[in-house]
Amino acid sequence: EAQVTQNPRYLITVTGKKLTVTCSQNMNHEYMSWYRQDPGLGLRQIYYSMNVEVTDKGDVPEGYKVSRKEKRNFPLILESPSPNQTSLYFCASTWVGLAGVGGTDTQYFGPGTRLTVL
Amino acid sequence: AQTVTQSQPEMSVQEAETVTLSCTYDTSENNYYLFWYKQPPSRQMILVIRQEAYKQQNATENRFSVNFQKAAKSFSLKISDSQLGDTAMYFCAFMKMRGQNFVFGPGTRLSVLP
Repeated sequence: EAQVTQNPRYLITVTGKKLTVTCSQNMNHEYMSWYRQDPGLGLRQIYYSMNVEVTDKGDVPEGYKVSRKEKRNFPLILESPSPNQTSLYFCASTWVGLAGVGGTDTQYFGPGTRLTVL
Repeated sequence: AQTVTQSQPEMSVQEAETVTLSCTYDTSENNYYLFWYKQPPSRQMILVIRQEAYKQQNATENRFSVNFQKAAKSFSLKISDSQLGDTAMYFCAFMKMRGQNFVFGPGTRLSVLP
């Protein structure tokens, strides 16, 4: 089954304790992205990756890191979490086609990770 | 930078009726994609419909259709024959051609009443 998986689904942690949220897709998509969802603000993009070893900042990258060492995985790292990073996080992947041709540009989302930083 | 606005934070509709959700966006791009996503209480993000800006014909998907007005930068979603399962948050989203920087609107909470 084609899917995007995230782990953990729920996490409660304390300020300053490093954490990683994993994201994996089995569709061989080039493009992957992380979002946070906050009430009244919709989804805001944190980081995205066009392919292996290619990452770029979205609209709200402060306090986050990412890496893309393999095509299927795109972990989100919070080196020193703070309470304002309490949010619902989504990972997504997209097939953009070969040389940008033929892709659907439709994002497939993971189930979300609810993070609470105390 | 692109922005997406959804001016209706909440809406309600009677079952079997028709409802239209509004979305406007701001961009200097000529080629781009527009999407409507649905988020039910399960929180899963589900694609409802997509529209390529270079296509003049409005996209339709069963009971869902859009009214895409490129010059006005408007992209409304019409849900016909509303069903209880349509109750959800609906997000309008913009993406430049070939990836990079999806931008979402703040969402409209739709309630379908029996």
